[in-house]
Amino acid sequence: DTAVSQTPKYLVTQMGNDKSIKCEQNLGHDTMYWYKQDSKKFLKIMFSYNNKELIINETVPNRFSPKSPDKAHLNLHINSLELGDSAVYFCASSQDPSGRYNEQFFGPGTRLTVL
Amino acid sequence: ILNVEQSPQSLHVQEGDSTNFTCSFPSSNFYALHWYRWETAKSPEALFVMTLNGDEKKKGRISATLNTKEGYSYLYIKGSQPEDSATYLCAFNNNAGNMLTFGGGTRLMVKP
Repeated sequence: DTAVSQTPKYLVTQMGNDKSIKCEQNLGHDTMYWYKQDSKKFLKIMFSYNNKELIINETVPNRFSPKSPDKAHLNLHINSLELGDSAVYFCASSQDPSGRYNEQFFGPGTRLTVL
Repeated sequence: ILNVEQSPQSLHVQEGDSTNFTCSFPSSNFYALHWYRWETAKSPEALFVMTLNGDEKKKGRISATLNTKEGYSYLYIKGSQPEDSATYLCAFNNNAGNMLTFGGGTRLMVKP
């Protein structure tokens, strides 16, 4: 069974569109994350979310918003897509909301291409 | 902006060689240091989570040490095998929420 899954795996869309990437974890974790792998292949944290708190990396444009229908899902909505949003986006989850004691489990990534 | 640096950026070794690489991070407000292994076309997988100065962790042929006072961690691979070829990432948590700041990774290639 896949622990952290993302859909779609690939997403090609036009500039200006609104799109969503879905993430689901079946590990029973309380905390989920979204990362962007930038053009230099660095993984950059975008959001950290548990059922009590959303922490946003201040560098993330407000066109990006996480939405969590329940503890097992954290979807990423992107409005008014721009060329610079093209990247691979990774979802992750962890058991420990402090981030201190437990590793994060990553999804397979979604490659977003904005034309 | 937190500065987490890894060196070298890439490393080519022969099968059977032992190797090590470095992760440097801010020595103030240390909370945790993570190591991940990232194979091409896969997701990062956790190797270690280290929290105490002087920590040493081991998993098979891979081990890691931590010096929080001077702000560095070493990852060691003993007797490298071709299947060890991957990018090794470290990530720093400074207790600013639970967000990890990743280094750029060390790409290891082990030749048979």
